[in-house]
Amino acid sequence: AQRVTQPEKLLSVFKGAPVELKCNYSYSGSPELFWYVQYSRQRLQLLLRHISRESIKGFTADLNKGETSFHLKKPFAQEEDSAMYYCALTSGTYKYIFGTGTRLKVLA
Amino acid sequence: KAGVTQTPRYLIKTRGQQVTLSCSPISGHRSVSWYQQTPGQGLQFLFEYFSETQRNKGNFPGRFSGRQFSNSRSEMNVSTLELGDSALYLCASSLRDTQYFGPGTRLTVL
Repeated sequence: AQRVTQPEKLLSVFKGAPVELKCNYSYSGSPELFWYVQYSRQRLQLLLRHISRESIKGFTADLNKGETSFHLKKPFAQEEDSAMYYCALTSGTYKYIFGTGTRLKVLA
Repeated sequence: KAGVTQTPRYLIKTRGQQVTLSCSPISGHRSVSWYQQTPGQGLQFLFEYFSETQRNKGNFPGRFSGRQFSNSRSEMNVSTLELGDSALYLCASSLRDTQYFGPGTRLTVL
């Protein structure tokens, strides 16, 4: 079955520390992977997608097909990074599967 | 461009009633997806419409239904409401693969 797992419900780090939000997926084909973010009192929005291989707000994510992972990383966390982060996949069938989300708290 | 809009923003219903939620996508977007968001389950895919046709659906009972109009606006209907249907219902429109989300409709079932 298709599934996205985000093992951490809450991740707290200090400002300036590295951040890694974990995402593992279960899918037999070649999915597209995304990270979405929801800041306080804002809408859910796309942060980045694996096919773009870009860095957004200092965040990067590498698709590891061997480990079926798509972890989100940032070398130095900022307070404004505090938000809810969702990993998601789509298989091209117009059906999106989201993880349960990880709340990131960056402490001053 | 104006973003995705959803109406109403808040709704309180009682068990057994039915409810209709509305979503207006970004102009030019023909795909509309619906999700149920709850603290324990996160975002769960309900269904997706494109050009008035349902292209895919999630694992929800038949009480959950939807439709899309020729102007791409979409409605979602839940019949015979249950307490467990209390959730934030999100709508998202997309042009290609990126989803643009609305603010959601908070449904409370008493």
